Amino acid sequence: DQQVKQNSPSLSVQEGRISILNCDYTNSMFDYFLWYKKYPAEGPTFLISISSIKDKNEDGRFTVFLNKSAKHLSLHIVPSQPGDSAVYFCAASPNNAGNMLTFGGGTRLMVKP
Amino acid sequence: NAGVTQTPKFRILKIGQSMTLQCTQDMNHNYMYWYRQDPGMGLKLIYYSVGAGITDKGEVPNGYNVSRSTTEDFPLRLELAAPSQTSVYFCASSSGGFDEQYFGPGTRLTVT
Repeated sequence: DQQVKQNSPSLSVQEGRISILNCDYTNSMFDYFLWYKKYPAEGPTFLISISSIKDKNEDGRFTVFLNKSAKHLSLHIVPSQPGDSAVYFCAASPNNAGNMLTFGGGTRLMVKP
Repeated sequence: NAGVTQTPKFRILKIGQSMTLQCTQDMNHNYMYWYRQDPGMGLKLIYYSVGAGITDKGEVPNGYNVSRSTTEDFPLRLELAAPSQTSVYFCASSSGGFDEQYFGPGTRLTVT
């Protein structure tokens, strides 16, 4: 049973527009959420995180929104740039084991010039 | 800084062979992790370590062993390779449990 799901395997967006990547989770013990970005033949790199005490966290062009009641989080990228084209993974961990990350399956974002 | 380095980059094993995937970090991080990523799937935690001499199982530890004799190194051992272990393996490190994890470039392993 997948505890973290990214239901859209791919997303295509025009340069300059908003990209919205979604993630759903089922484990109510998850307390800390992260987004990682991965380019081909490289390891994932950390993008942004949010703890359950917040509903929004912003870092430049990237904003993560958390809806705990719906067990849903989303990553907004505004404006999208061609260099943002990558696979994006959301991950979650329980409040007593921050190092035990559970990853979603990833969404491939393609930003067209 | 090199960050997290992994060797080898690629390896083909025959069923039943054994090998060690090497991982080294130069950031003096206490926490280190091994993940595997199967095609089209997310990363799954195999083992992790919170410091030298301390290791613990993750979500998918069967068929693997680890050791952590130094802060820098966290090798992953496959004793009897099986086709189900065909995957890309990533090593990562972090300074604390809730801190950002830094990943290596991965090792692509094929077992035939």
